[in-house]
Amino acid sequence: AQTVTQSQPEMSVQEAETVTLSCTYDTSESDYYLFWYKQPPSRQMILVIRQEAYKQQNATENRFSVNFQKAAKSFSLKISDSQLGDAAMYFCAYLGYGGSQGNLIFGKGTKLSVKP
Amino acid sequence: EAGVAQSPRYKIIEKRQSVAFWCNPISGHATLYWYQQILGQGPKLLIQFQNNGVVDDSQLPKDRFSAERLKGVDSTLKIQPAKLEDSAVYLCATRGGNTIYFGEGSWLTVV
Repeated sequence: AQTVTQSQPEMSVQEAETVTLSCTYDTSESDYYLFWYKQPPSRQMILVIRQEAYKQQNATENRFSVNFQKAAKSFSLKISDSQLGDAAMYFCAYLGYGGSQGNLIFGKGTKLSVKP
Repeated sequence: EAGVAQSPRYKIIEKRQSVAFWCNPISGHATLYWYQQILGQGPKLLIQFQNNGVVDDSQLPKDRFSAERLKGVDSTLKIQPAKLEDSAVYLCATRGGNTIYFGEGSWLTVV
């Protein structure tokens, strides 16, 4: 069975600085997708960034980028120029490639605080 | 494009009472999920539908939880009777391509 591990329960960053959130996963599959979701206090899951495992190029979305290391099964999220609105829970998630049959497997989350 | 709609947003019930949550997926999304998220934890899958058929309900406590998606569009999740440990956010999500989109969630407090 696939597992996702986020080893940092809490992180803190100064506004305008850069922070990296860690995520490792375990799978025997070769094709899959990885995601970072942001969850503010409203509890809605907001997609931040997505990575296809077959792509070697790291995904980027504005201030958000990932460092995807397939061999190491590592998928970290880098937030540049942190803003107060980035404060939230961040969840790393894995989706198998099994067509429509797959479902998201989540880590336990990292709570990010942004200091003004 | 409208997102995943859920209602009610908030519900407070006493233990042993029943509650139902409703979800309307993004148009055209055949795969629908219900997740349970207890405070301080990541979401856990309760049930997955493909159109109106159940794909995975292995983690659904079937003695008290039920879910249906009769016409392959809207879905309801019911809890009867509720226990204190059912206090959580219930997230509905649907799949478009290889991305899963979430609704705003339904907060349940059981007292």
